[in-house]
Amino acid sequence: DTAVSQTPKYLVTQMGNDKSIKCEQNLGHDTMYWYKQDSKKFLKIMFSYNNKELIINETVPNRFSPKSPDKAHLNLHINSLELGDSAVYFCASSHERTTMRVDYGYTFGSGTRLTVV
Amino acid sequence: DQQVKQNSPSLSVQEGRISILNCDYTNSMFDYFLWYKKYPAEGPTFLISISSIKDKNEDGRFTVFLNKSAKHLSLHIVPSQPGDSAVYFCAPWGGSNYKLTFGKGTLLTVNP
Repeated sequence: DTAVSQTPKYLVTQMGNDKSIKCEQNLGHDTMYWYKQDSKKFLKIMFSYNNKELIINETVPNRFSPKSPDKAHLNLHINSLELGDSAVYFCASSHERTTMRVDYGYTFGSGTRLTVV
Repeated sequence: DQQVKQNSPSLSVQEGRISILNCDYTNSMFDYFLWYKKYPAEGPTFLISISSIKDKNEDGRFTVFLNKSAKHLSLHIVPSQPGDSAVYFCAPWGGSNYKLTFGKGTLLTVNP
């Protein structure tokens, strides 16, 4: 019973296309995140949503638009894909934004490897 | 602006010996420090954490030490096992944005 699930796991697409990555969590968490792991292996936060409200937007190009229809879902839509968007994108969730559950932290999905050609 | 540094990209140890992974940080406002473990093609999984008011936390084979004055923490794995081979991320949390900030990771290889 997957806690944080992302689809698709792999995505290969051409430059200029628009694509979406979906994320769902069944943990009852209030806060969800998108992280990007680039070719240099840094894991950087992109967005944070708390109960459907955007909280953090880390200077991500506006081609990236997160959408949270309810607190269990956080999708990532990317317009006009560029070569530099190739990366692994991780969705995560946490119990609540301003407190840290020290017994499990954030729960991550297994990632979506996006390749733009 | 690297707030979290894991200066060793890789570490290789023999099975049964101790593995020590290090992490340095710059932001004194961090409240908690988490370690995550990541296998290829999987997401990071939570391993162990420590509060900023403590200097040691132990969970089985894993112990994390925090030196706040030096802004340094380390993860000790004793004894190391081949299944421990993975990338380990140091991830402090806290500050004004309440977000988990990751280091670049250290690839640990435990040789049988």
